[in-house]
Amino acid sequence: EPEVTQTPSHQVTQMGQEVILRCVPISNHLYFYWYRQILGQKVEFLVSFYNNEISEKSEIFDDQFSVERPDGSNFTLKIRSTKLEDSAMYFCASSRQGTLGYEQYFGPGTRLTVT
Amino acid sequence: AQTVTQSQPEMSVQEAETVTLSCTYDTSESDYYLFWYKQPPSRQMILVIRQEAYKQQNATENRFSVNFQKAAKSFSLKISDSQLGDAAMYFCAYRSAMGGSEKLVFGKGTKLTVNP
Repeated sequence: EPEVTQTPSHQVTQMGQEVILRCVPISNHLYFYWYRQILGQKVEFLVSFYNNEISEKSEIFDDQFSVERPDGSNFTLKIRSTKLEDSAMYFCASSRQGTLGYEQYFGPGTRLTVT
Repeated sequence: AQTVTQSQPEMSVQEAETVTLSCTYDTSESDYYLFWYKQPPSRQMILVIRQEAYKQQNATENRFSVNFQKAAKSFSLKISDSQLGDAAMYFCAYRSAMGGSEKLVFGKGTKLTVNP
């Protein structure tokens, strides 16, 4: 069964450094998402992406964050200058369609630790 | 803004028994979707069951069923004949069916332990 994959599984970085988290969505999916979960807190929506554009973003997704689909398979989340509070589990998800309650399929997550 | 609350951080159940996980939500919308996701240790979240708010009938998927009480804004998950493989974090989630928003709004999760 097709799965969403994410790399790396764990990333440690120093405050102020740039990180890129990578995701490979399911191949025939058109809608892509990033969520994050700070330890002990809720999973929070960051951004949705369709047709090479951001379709929705949360207030968390500020200018430090960007997303890109650099080729036909990868979907990336970049954090330009990491802060301690960016330490979290980051989940990528994809969906065949964005409406009608279509299921979002999640990846296993990347644990980002900012020191 | 919508919120989802899971009041049980942890639950445990004996194998073959039944357990109910609670979820309440707050919204002013009339049309929406509710989901239960399961996240086994070190694995991705997978969808367990989905409920459309306009449907009065409670969704069921094999051993999993929901009790959807729209007026009370309650959406509990019942797992019957619990199995060891049911041990996981369970997340309740809300998604609007209005205004084109695709984001899922999650609760904090309930960690389910299944005892042999």
